[in-house]
Amino acid sequence: QKEVEQDPGPLSVPEGAIVSLNCTYSNSAFQYFMWYRQYSRKGPELLMYTYSSGNKEDGRFTAQVDKSSKYISLFIRDSQPSDSATYLCAMTDTTSGTYKYIFGTGTRLKVLA
Amino acid sequence: EPEVTQTPSHQVTQMGQEVILRCVPISNHLYFYWYRQILGQKVEFLVSFYNNEISEKSEIFDDQFSVERPDGSNFTLKIRSTKLEDSAMYFCASRAPGYNEQFFGPGTRLTVL
Repeated sequence: QKEVEQDPGPLSVPEGAIVSLNCTYSNSAFQYFMWYRQYSRKGPELLMYTYSSGNKEDGRFTAQVDKSSKYISLFIRDSQPSDSATYLCAMTDTTSGTYKYIFGTGTRLKVLA
Repeated sequence: EPEVTQTPSHQVTQMGQEVILRCVPISNHLYFYWYRQILGQKVEFLVSFYNNEISEKSEIFDDQFSVERPDGSNFTLKIRSTKLEDSAMYFCASRAPGYNEQFFGPGTRLTVL
């Protein structure tokens, strides 16, 4: 089983739709969960960061963590064509002390005008 | 807003040649990382660096790879004898003490011919 699994998509939605992006993971030691946005051939840009379980909201973005199910989600409300990108989940634990990130494969999102 | 910078943006080299990829992390950050992303694949951890030494490295980071912080601002990744399979985007990231978020640079695209 892969350590972090993420549906690669592509996911196409109409402008204004609510988008739901998800990752599952197998390592119960993961405590920190990140969502990055990556445009083609660019570096990952940090969108959201959550610690342990619960919800976190920032503007149109909501990150959700369910540690009991080992499942994390990113919701995008009122999606815009400019949201079209690849969304990467990443996670880390503190056991190694280095906080190295383990990434999912990324979900490619296309928001149609 | 402070950001991680990387040079060059694109490097083309012949197999067997040495390359040095350069990064300037965010100025008050003390933890540095290199990741790579082969085209169409996920972002993978290579190495973490703190206090002038490697704190963790992945199995990808073999004897052909080395990292250095030659001065107070630069952080470099050297590949001694490049192979075709080293062709990838290489991302530098940095993290501030007491925080878990890593901030990524725009990447260097390495093409080995």
